[in-house]
Amino acid sequence: AQKITQTQPGMFVQEKEAVTLDCTYDTSDQSYGLFWYKQPSSGEMIFLIYQGSYDEQNATEGRYSLNFQKARKSANLVISASQLGDSAMYFCAMRTGGFKTIFGAGTRLFVKA
Amino acid sequence: DAGVTQSPTHLIKTRGQQVTLRCSPKSGHDTVSWYQQALGQGPQFIFQYYEEEERQRGNFPDRFSGHQFPNYSSELNVNALLLGDSALYLCASIVWGSWANEQFFGPGTRLTVL
Repeated sequence: AQKITQTQPGMFVQEKEAVTLDCTYDTSDQSYGLFWYKQPSSGEMIFLIYQGSYDEQNATEGRYSLNFQKARKSANLVISASQLGDSAMYFCAMRTGGFKTIFGAGTRLFVKA
Repeated sequence: DAGVTQSPTHLIKTRGQQVTLRCSPKSGHDTVSWYQQALGQGPQFIFQYYEEEERQRGNFPDRFSGHQFPNYSSELNVNALLLGDSALYLCASIVWGSWANEQFFGPGTRLTVL
C-alpha cells in the first residue's frame, strides 16, 4: 500500500532559523515523485519542491531543500532562514503511475518573531 | 496566463441534496483531478479526468461523479449529500503524460452540509 507519513502535527521555529519537516513514504513502485506543498489559511495549495525517485541529488528551490534518503524512504523538507510568512500547513505528497497523488496529514508550522 | 479556477467559492447545502462544483484548468493543461480535504486533514484523491473519461479513481462512493468537457473544464457532482461531505474540494490540473511535473491547484470550493 502507498502511504505518506508526517509525524509532526505542529512545529515552532524562530524567525531566521532553519526548520526540518519530516516525511516518510511507502511504495513498492520503483518510479515515483515526491512533492512538498504549502497551504496557507486561504486554502490554496502552493507547490514548493519536487524530487524524482531517480534523482541522485537533493532538490533545492530557493530557501527550500529536500533531504532525500531513498534507502530510508524519507523526504524531509528543510526551510532555511524562516520568515513569518512561512507560517502555514505543509504537506508531503507522492505520485506514482498516473496522476493520483497521495498526501500526508500535514505539519502546521508556526514561525515566531 | 490564468491559473486553475473553481466555482463557487463557498456553498451551503442540506443533507440529501445534490451539488455541482466546477473547475477550469490552467491554460494548456488537459487533465483534471479532484481532491477532498476534510478539516485538519490532507487532501484525498477523488478521481481524475483526461479526454473526457475518468482515468483513475480513489476510494470514494458512486455518489461522487464527474465530467470533463471538450474544453478540458470539469465538474464534480455529489448526490445524496451527507454531513461528512463537508470539506474543501480542490481541483488540480496538469498535462497528461508529464506526471513528474507539478500539478497546479485551484483555490478550492468550501462545501458545508447542514
